[in-house]
Amino acid sequence: QSALTQPASVSGSPGQSITISCTGTSSDVGGYNYVSWYQQHPGKAPKLMIYEVSNRPSGVPDRFSGSKSGNTASLTISGLQAEDEADYYCSSYTSSSTLVVFGGGTKLTVL
Amino acid sequence: EVQLVESGGGLVQPGRSLRLSCAASGFTFDDYAMHWVRQAPGKGLEWVSGISWNSGSIGYADSVKGRFTISRDNAKNSLYLQMNSLRAEDTALYYCAKDISAGLGGGMSFDYWGQGTLVTVSS
Repeated sequence: QSALTQPASVSGSPGQSITISCTGTSSDVGGYNYVSWYQQHPGKAPKLMIYEVSNRPSGVPDRFSGSKSGNTASLTISGLQAEDEADYYCSSYTSSSTLVVFGGGTKLTVL
Repeated sequence: EVQLVESGGGLVQPGRSLRLSCAASGFTFDDYAMHWVRQAPGKGLEWVSGISWNSGSIGYADSVKGRFTISRDNAKNSLYLQMNSLRAEDTALYYCAKDISAGLGGGMSFDYWGQGTLVTVSS
């Protein structure tokens, strides 16, 4: 069982918006603004999409946005495109001895 | 161009050891913390270990603490993971990842990843 809870799957049609949630505790997501989101296509290495809750690295489209409320962080993808179909993982800094925890991952299907 | 190239993976028997290496290029290696993240076949990501820019701060996942040792050689732009007492559950693709910051006190976001090296623990 992963430390952070994500839905196993979400889906949406091209052009629509979807949101993926990531629920933790006050020891991780809720306690720090250090939530990241990664995109992983099959057979590829993960790619950083969002860091520190809502910041986008250079080159990441502004269709991707992040937010947080309490112990739950969210990744929203607007204007869905076929190439967005991938697995998405959240992660957070944690006050436990394991410094970083990941979510179990969410498979995004673009219908 | 940032490049991270892992090596050292392979098939190893339970209880044996293996040393992974990660060769970094395209950025100032000693300005950033570095990490190992693994992914078991068909499973999600698991952070394994991280080391600050000057090796002053080191962290491990509870699942590997006492068995794995992370180190870096800034003169060689290289990151290492010494894995001892390997178990079947350590079977995974091991990624080397660059942090966006120098220390382990926060952030912990990984902006560049290698392609991984596969470790299979089996008799």
